[in-house]
Amino acid sequence: NAGVMQNPRHLVRRRGQEARLRCSPMKGHSHVYWYRQLPEEGLKFMVYLQKENIIDESGMPKERFSAEFPKEGPSILRIQQVVRGDSAAYFCASSRPDRYTEAFFGQGTRLTVV
Amino acid sequence: GIQVEQSPPDLILQEGANSTLRCNFSDSVNNLQWFHQNPWGQLINLFYIPSGTKQNGRLSATTVATERYSLLYISSSQTTDSGVYFCGGGNTPLVFGKGTRLSVIA
Repeated sequence: NAGVMQNPRHLVRRRGQEARLRCSPMKGHSHVYWYRQLPEEGLKFMVYLQKENIIDESGMPKERFSAEFPKEGPSILRIQQVVRGDSAAYFCASSRPDRYTEAFFGQGTRLTVV
Repeated sequence: GIQVEQSPPDLILQEGANSTLRCNFSDSVNNLQWFHQNPWGQLINLFYIPSGTKQNGRLSATTVATERYSLLYISSSQTTDSGVYFCGGGNTPLVFGKGTRLSVIA
């Protein structure tokens, strides 16, 4: 049973470009969470999604950031017009619908904005 | 929202030593997990432990939900135990502490 798959593992973008981060949850998992980790810091919650629904986006910056989890395909975290301060590791986690409080994390995408 | 505090922030151990890491919550939680972030950045699930005690090899964890804290015990530490240990809890989604950075020296 494959774990949570994130791609790409590393992403380099120039300031002003768009970054698209993908997350495929574990098989049977319908809840997806995105977190951001700055160097030497803990994980900060960004957004919680179920299929075709955003449940909680209280941690998401109001501008330039968006997330989706379509009926088919992976969840996408999209960052428009990236700035240097967006450089971080972005982690996705997923959980089962019958045990949604237990989260499993992917390996993360390390975004570097140059 | 819920606040999570972890202690100590940093810990250096000689190989073979034991240690206890602590996680305090500002409010009651229905979910608590411990993770190990290895030097390559990967987050590894250690325990899902909203209450009670669990053991897995040299690691064990105890959560006292009524007193809003959890403990992670590492016995006979090895260099491969190095990394950052995070606890996450709350309702949904998880709220994380800042972690305990553990260095085990041979």
